[in-house]
Amino acid sequence: QKEVEQNSGPLSVPEGAIASLNCTYSDRGSQSFFWYRQYSGKSPELIMFIYSNGDKEDGRFTAQLNKASQYVSLLIRDSQPSDSATYLCAVNSQRNSGYSTLTFGKGTMLLVSP
Amino acid sequence: DGGITQSPKYLFRKEGQNVTLSCEQNLNHDAMYWYRQDPGQGLRLIYYSQIVNDFQKGDIAEGYSVSREKKESFPLTVTSAQKNPTAFYLCASSTPSTGARTDTQYFGPGTRLTVL
Repeated sequence: QKEVEQNSGPLSVPEGAIASLNCTYSDRGSQSFFWYRQYSGKSPELIMFIYSNGDKEDGRFTAQLNKASQYVSLLIRDSQPSDSATYLCAVNSQRNSGYSTLTFGKGTMLLVSP
Repeated sequence: DGGITQSPKYLFRKEGQNVTLSCEQNLNHDAMYWYRQDPGQGLRLIYYSQIVNDFQKGDIAEGYSVSREKKESFPLTVTSAQKNPTAFYLCASSTPSTGARTDTQYFGPGTRLTVL
């Protein structure tokens, strides 16, 4: 069973600070990495995806990927109270069917205090 | 508006009943997925389908069944064989996985199933 590990948190940061969310994965063959945000009682919504080693920036969000260390992270700059949510890391793996699917971590709860 | 719809939003089931959860998408995606989420847990894959009239078991398929007769629709039946069906059920769709990469999955609003 492929595994995706995240610290469950909560991670508490003050408004305006940088929040750093981390994720490790077990499948060395993984090629696609996603960060989703999930508000309580709602469905996940995509924040970012990353395929290549290095950094990818989109507004206040930066995804970082290190395939050698099997590590992916999400940085949120200038954190806002509206960023308070659970952040899910998802990593793809090849199945016996020949298709690849996503394995999700359990998520890290982020709390941004005003 | 393109998107994924799930119905009903809330569903109550009595012991021994089968129930069917609806999932419809108008994103023209070939691939569709069903996940289950329990409190404090990540999403676990129940079934997936990359093309019409074909589907595969995910990690927790026991007690569930699906069909994929139309590209737009991927209904999930929770059977009486599912011992602990109370959970939040999420449907997602994407373009089909090609090679080693997986494209972004987009989620519907979910159905919350409670067994009475």
